[in-house]
Amino acid sequence: NAGVTQTPKFQVLKTGQSMTLQCAQDMNHNSMYWYRQDPGMGLRLIYYSASEGTTDKGEVPNGYNVSRLNKREFSLRLESAAPSQTSVYFCASTEWGVVIYGYTFGSGTRLTVV
Amino acid sequence: SQQGEEDPQALSIQEGENATMNCSYKTSINNLQWYRQNSGRGLVHLILIRSNEREKHSGRLRVTLDTSKKSSSLLITASRAADTASYFCVPAGGTSYGKLTFGQGTILTVHP
Repeated sequence: NAGVTQTPKFQVLKTGQSMTLQCAQDMNHNSMYWYRQDPGMGLRLIYYSASEGTTDKGEVPNGYNVSRLNKREFSLRLESAAPSQTSVYFCASTEWGVVIYGYTFGSGTRLTVV
Repeated sequence: SQQGEEDPQALSIQEGENATMNCSYKTSINNLQWYRQNSGRGLVHLILIRSNEREKHSGRLRVTLDTSKKSSSLLITASRAADTASYFCVPAGGTSYGKLTFGQGTILTVHP
């Protein structure tokens, strides 16, 4: 099925460990986004890639890095995980021009840092 | 990008009843989007209404937009237990690299 695929779905890390969350879309969208969702906080934008070859910080970028590997793939890396990074992470993609079109979201990665 | 303010924060109804959720925003928009999130799942785009439209339908969903009042509503008719989810309204104005800001949403519970 066409859409956005995130891996892994669940992960437990120890404080200080590193990991990469993977995201791939097959809709030929130019723009991709990483959000985190915490109880009572809504979704907050971590990083985004408006087009292949570009990335930029969102609202809460500290502790994260991203790579837009190609048009399909946008990965999020935690270099040294902290308990404050325990969250559900969502990747999304869309097209935009004069209008921002609806996002397609992945099913999320539930990350626990102990 | 601006976020919408959904009201009420939580809504509890019986199966078969209609559910109405409201949204307000602050600045001019190109369109307004509604999303649904079932517990523990990713968000799903439900409907997009452009600023020059007043009403839009999709199945059991009816969305209205009043740009003069900077408000929108989502009506779900004949609700089902499967409609239990959080609903988010997202105003989109100016492209801002396609970034959208999501609020807290309305938690809808439909009792069988």
